[in-house]
Amino acid sequence: GDSVTQTEGQVALSEEDFLTIHCNYSASGYPALFWYVQYPGEGPQFLFRASRDKEKGSSRGFEATYDKGTTSFHLRKASVQESDSAVYYCALAYTGNYKYVFGAGTRLKVIA
Amino acid sequence: EAAVTQSPRNKVTVTGGNVTLSCRQTNSHNYMYWYRQDTGHGLRLIHYSYGAGNLQIGDVPDGYKATRTTQEDFFLLLELASPSQTSLYFCASSDPGSSAETLYFGSGTRLTVL
Repeated sequence: GDSVTQTEGQVALSEEDFLTIHCNYSASGYPALFWYVQYPGEGPQFLFRASRDKEKGSSRGFEATYDKGTTSFHLRKASVQESDSAVYYCALAYTGNYKYVFGAGTRLKVIA
Repeated sequence: EAAVTQSPRNKVTVTGGNVTLSCRQTNSHNYMYWYRQDTGHGLRLIHYSYGAGNLQIGDVPDGYKATRTTQEDFFLLLELASPSQTSLYFCASSDPGSSAETLYFGSGTRLTVL
């Protein structure tokens, strides 16, 4: 079946560092790809999505590009802040099928 | 802004106990979902529904029942709770459409089975 792999379980950075969280997927079809963010004590919330190859999604300074060739959707941010500390989930879903497949999540801790 | 409300926020029960987790959404979304969140596993789908009276089986359904009584209300039932069901449970809803749609999550219910 389809799957999403997030390489890093935890990432620790200092403020203004560059962030990369790796996301690779395995899919039988052509899914949409998503990033969700979960702050402490809250449920996950939608960050952004991309639906086709080479499309870039972005929000709040975060961005990721759908790469069908490398089956990747890596999350990047040029300069992280302490308020970005959260758990980040990569996910895929198909049009007409409302089941999502989530990665295991990456916990980001940013130290001021 | 989409709103999904879960209750209770925390619940403690004993092995073999009967637990009902509640979820209400006020977004007029057709789809509702129950997920469990565990370290190392991320979010796993238990059950979902695309309307009142409808129930679809998710990826980890064993030991769980669910019921969708109205468009707004979706319940998760654990009739014989076990310690392996200790977890953080999230309800979510989504808007039907022609493309894969955003999930809106509640704040979660933390369940502890002793």
